Amino acid sequence: KAGVTQTPRYLIKTRGQQVTLSCSPISGHRSVSWYQQTPGQGLQFLFEYFSETQRNKGNFPGRFSGRQFSNSRSEMNVSTLELGDSALYLCASNDPPNTEAFFGQGTRLTVV
Amino acid sequence: SQQGEEDPQALSIQEGENATMNCSYKTSINNLQWYRQNSGRGLVHLILIRSNEREKHSGRLRVTLDTSKKSSSLLITASRAADTASYFCATDRITGTASKLTFGTGTRLQVTL
Repeated sequence: KAGVTQTPRYLIKTRGQQVTLSCSPISGHRSVSWYQQTPGQGLQFLFEYFSETQRNKGNFPGRFSGRQFSNSRSEMNVSTLELGDSALYLCASNDPPNTEAFFGQGTRLTVV
Repeated sequence: SQQGEEDPQALSIQEGENATMNCSYKTSINNLQWYRQNSGRGLVHLILIRSNEREKHSGRLRVTLDTSKKSSSLLITASRAADTASYFCATDRITGTASKLTFGTGTRLQVTL
């Protein structure tokens, strides 16, 4: 069974631009969650999607948004990028009610 | 915000020795999971322990959970250079039908030959 796939692996964007990251969950997993990892703040929860609905949201500004498609694939969007958005963005999938979560390799976003 | 702390923050041992990492958390949990991360790459799932379990084994890994102390430990026996990585604990609380993971600060393990 293929693991969680995130694309792209690396991105360089300029302040003020927007970016879209993609995540394909493990086949059969209906929940997708997104996390941001930075040296200063560590791993922080962004949001969770299940059956195309956002079920849970972390403490991030509205510039961070996401969506989930009917095939459970998810995208995350960050608008009006700031330097502080530079981070490793990780996607995880699980099959509720099982909370065992499996992560992708992440997308390294650099904002210049 | 981080659920809690992991200690030590960094650990350096020689190959063949055992490595023990501890994790503390603040709130009641449903499950606790341990992950490994190599050099800023993705997280690799190691083991999940449920709140009604006290100990779990997987290969060279042994995890304990003490819900009265809100703490867990990860023991890696007979460590190898390939075990060099950062290790994170993550807890989840199911609220309604949603769940999310809250991570500890991580322990950086260095295993030298």
